[in-house]
Amino acid sequence: AQTVTQSQPEMSVQEAETVTLSCTYDTSESNYYLFWYKQPPSRQMILVIRQEAYKQQNATENRFSVNFQKAAKSFSLKISDSQLGDTAMYFCAFMKGIGANSKLTFGKGITLSVRP
Amino acid sequence: EAQVTQNPRYLITVTGKKLTVTCSQNMNHEYMSWYRQDPGLGLRQIYYSMNVEVTDKGDVPEGYKVSRKEKRNFPLILESPSPNQTSLYFCASSPTGGTLGAFFGQGTRLTVV
Repeated sequence: AQTVTQSQPEMSVQEAETVTLSCTYDTSESNYYLFWYKQPPSRQMILVIRQEAYKQQNATENRFSVNFQKAAKSFSLKISDSQLGDTAMYFCAFMKGIGANSKLTFGKGITLSVRP
Repeated sequence: EAQVTQNPRYLITVTGKKLTVTCSQNMNHEYMSWYRQDPGLGLRQIYYSMNVEVTDKGDVPEGYKVSRKEKRNFPLILESPSPNQTSLYFCASSPTGGTLGAFFGQGTRLTVV
């Protein structure tokens, strides 16, 4: 079974600064996908970024980028130029690459607060 | 607009009174799933469906039922709700494989008293 660990329950960052959210996972699979989801106070789950395990290049989406270390099973999210609208809970998630169930295995989440 | 729609958004009910949370998607996705979110536990899968008339249990299926009679709809049924089913529920859909990530509904906050 897969597990996803987000060990930091809360973080805070000053507006316009950079913050990194940590995530580690455990799996015996060789083909898988990793995701970061954002959940603002509206409760909507919003996909922020995805990474395919077979790709060495780290994914980037505007101010969001990941540091994917496959050997270390680490998948951290870096938010550059933090904005007040980035205040949310962030979930790291894992999905096996093959199989009938496209199940997402989530970490416990981290609450990020951006200070003005 | 591509979306997953859940109803209701909020629901307070009493122990034992059957309820249904509806979920509908307009993206023609084959795969649909239900999750529950609890503090300190993240989201956990309840049931999933690969296609019409094909459903299977996720990690926490006890006390829940689902059906998939049409591709777009995937209702979650609690036949005899109990207080430990008080939670935030999400419906999600994705194309077969799900490798692009799942689309989530707005969530349903359920309280069972």
